[in-house]
Amino acid sequence: AQTVTQSQPEMSVQEAETVTLSCTYDTSESDYYLFWYKQPPSRQMILVIRQEAYKQQNATENRFSVNFQKAAKSFSLKISDSQLGDAAMYFCAYSSNNNDMRFGAGTRLTVKP
Amino acid sequence: DGGITQSPKYLFRKEGQNVTLSCEQNLNHDAMYWYRQDPGQGLRLIYYSQIVNDFQKGDIAEGYSVSREKKESFPLTVTSAQKNPTAFYLCASSIRTDTPQHFGDGTRLSIL
Repeated sequence: AQTVTQSQPEMSVQEAETVTLSCTYDTSESDYYLFWYKQPPSRQMILVIRQEAYKQQNATENRFSVNFQKAAKSFSLKISDSQLGDAAMYFCAYSSNNNDMRFGAGTRLTVKP
Repeated sequence: DGGITQSPKYLFRKEGQNVTLSCEQNLNHDAMYWYRQDPGQGLRLIYYSQIVNDFQKGDIAEGYSVSREKKESFPLTVTSAQKNPTAFYLCASSIRTDTPQHFGDGTRLSIL
């Protein structure tokens, strides 16, 4: 079964600094998709970024970028120039054509002014 | 605007009572999902449906039931067999199971 592991229950970053959130996953499939979702205090789930496993190039969305290491099954999220509004729970997720989406346990990010 | 609507936002259940959480989407998505989130934890899949009139159990389906009679609707019933139903419930939809999911705003269920 596919599993997603986020080993950092909590992280903190100073405003305007950079922080990296870790995610590893386990799968025997070669074609799959990885996601990072953000859940602010409002509890709404917001898609931050998406990576297709067949693409070697790391996905980037403005201040958010990923470091996708397929061989290591690692998918970390880098947030640059952190803002107070980035404070939230961040969930890493995996899905494929053959399986529903699997979420990690989440990392709570605190941004210090 | 297209989106997912969950109702009610807050729901209270009495002992031995079944309650139904509503989830409606106008995104024309084929796949729909129900997740349970307990405090400080991630999302656990209850049920999902890839197409009308078909649905599959997730990791924690016991004590829950669903139906998918229409593409737009995927209601979740929390039955009296679910002994610990207090949680935050999120509904989601996607074009396919491998595409990004769009989430509703959630329903918080509590026991009276």
